[in-house]
Amino acid sequence: AQSVAQPEDQVNVAEGNPLTVKCTYSVSGNPYLFWYVQYPNRGLQFLLKYITGDNLVKGSYGFEAEFNKSQTSFHLKKPSALVSDSALYFCAVRDEKKDTGRRALTFGSGTRLQVQP
Amino acid sequence: GAGVSQSPSNKVTEKGKDVELRCDPISGHTALYWYRQSLGQGLEFLIYFQGNSAPDKSGLPSDRFSAERTGGSVSTLTIQRTQQEDSAVYLCASSLLRGGEQFFGPGTRLTVL
Repeated sequence: AQSVAQPEDQVNVAEGNPLTVKCTYSVSGNPYLFWYVQYPNRGLQFLLKYITGDNLVKGSYGFEAEFNKSQTSFHLKKPSALVSDSALYFCAVRDEKKDTGRRALTFGSGTRLQVQP
Repeated sequence: GAGVSQSPSNKVTEKGKDVELRCDPISGHTALYWYRQSLGQGLEFLIYFQGNSAPDKSGLPSDRFSAERTGGSVSTLTIQRTQQEDSAVYLCASSLLRGGEQFFGPGTRLTVL
């Protein structure tokens, strides 16, 4: 089964500093990886995805993620954090079930990002 | 354009009662997913609908849970004889294609007393 791990429950960073939120994956076959963000009392918002191609993926709100096959990682990054980036971030992998065609997402446990002014 | 909508936004019920949660996907999206977000279990897949095909119910935690999707659009998740462990946020997502990016609704927060 496909899985992702987010080793940090919380990441604290000062505004203006670069941020990294870590994610590692375990899949059979090619990985299809996603990052979502959740603001309080809101649903999940898509940030970016890796399907194939360039290892550096650019997404919404200035976020990017680096796919590293040898380290089985897909860390989320941003060069300069904003206070408004404070939220819950989820890494996910697409988990395909061939007999039904289902392509649901298997999520990590989430990392809370706190950006201090 | 309109995103995925869910109703109600909050639902408080008593143990043993049945509840229905509704999801309106983005118009034209053929794939629809239900997930559950709870403190103990994180985000879990529940059920998947694709067009007129039979749903994939492999994520449903018990036979008290069921879902339907009428006319390939609106979906209803029903929980019978609710238990306290059913308390969670229930999220619906839709995608244009089977493996496309999923767009999530705001969720329904269910509290079972």
